[in-house]
Amino acid sequence: SYELTQPPSVSVSPGQTASITCSGDKLGDKYACWYQQKPGQSPVLVIYQDNKRPSGIPERFSGSNSGNTAKLTISGTQAMDEADYYCQAWDSSTVVFGGGTKLTVL
Amino acid sequence: EVQLVQSGAEVKKPGESLKISCKGSGYSFTSYWIGWVRQMPGKGLEWMGIIYPGDSDTRYSPSFQGQVTISADKSISIVYLQWSSLKASDSAMYYCARRGLREVTDAFDMWGQGTMVTVSS
Repeated sequence: SYELTQPPSVSVSPGQTASITCSGDKLGDKYACWYQQKPGQSPVLVIYQDNKRPSGIPERFSGSNSGNTAKLTISGTQAMDEADYYCQAWDSSTVVFGGGTKLTVL
Repeated sequence: EVQLVQSGAEVKKPGESLKISCKGSGYSFTSYWIGWVRQMPGKGLEWMGIIYPGDSDTRYSPSFQGQVTISADKSISIVYLQWSSLKASDSAMYYCARRGLREVTDAFDMWGQGTMVTVSS
């Protein structure tokens, strides 16, 4: 079965740029999306179709996807961005989530 | 307001049956796929399956095929997730989520608030 791999944790200082990767076989041939989940809350879509932001998502969130790796980038990271982030893609009519990355802003 | 509202928390015993619900409002309910996602305590998101309320076309993750049943009643804009015999390992938060349309079709653009299921003797 298809797998998406994320680093368990990423740390970033306030105001700096955070990057979270998501790896999968030929992931660049699929569309990747990203969700943010804060403690006790439902996931929220922050990036779809590799690099598009839903309305209401700040411009500091951006995405890319090429080869075997998709990447979520948060520029000028704020304390409010501390959360778990999940990548997701479709493979053979099946939804696949990455294992999640805990972003710590310290 | 466009939203998905899920049924409340459940506490059940092993072997009991359960049906939880997800009600859509504020949009054309029959035009969007609705998926179910499990999140075990302290763990990540797991896709369980998806249904198209317009015709009840349903797909399951291989990991959950035969373990749960997803159904829909389009007349009242509700999608269900049910178990015939719960296990302690079914204890988790369950989310319903709407699959987007057009350029958002590969993502879930709206999520319910979650239903906590606890299975304990």
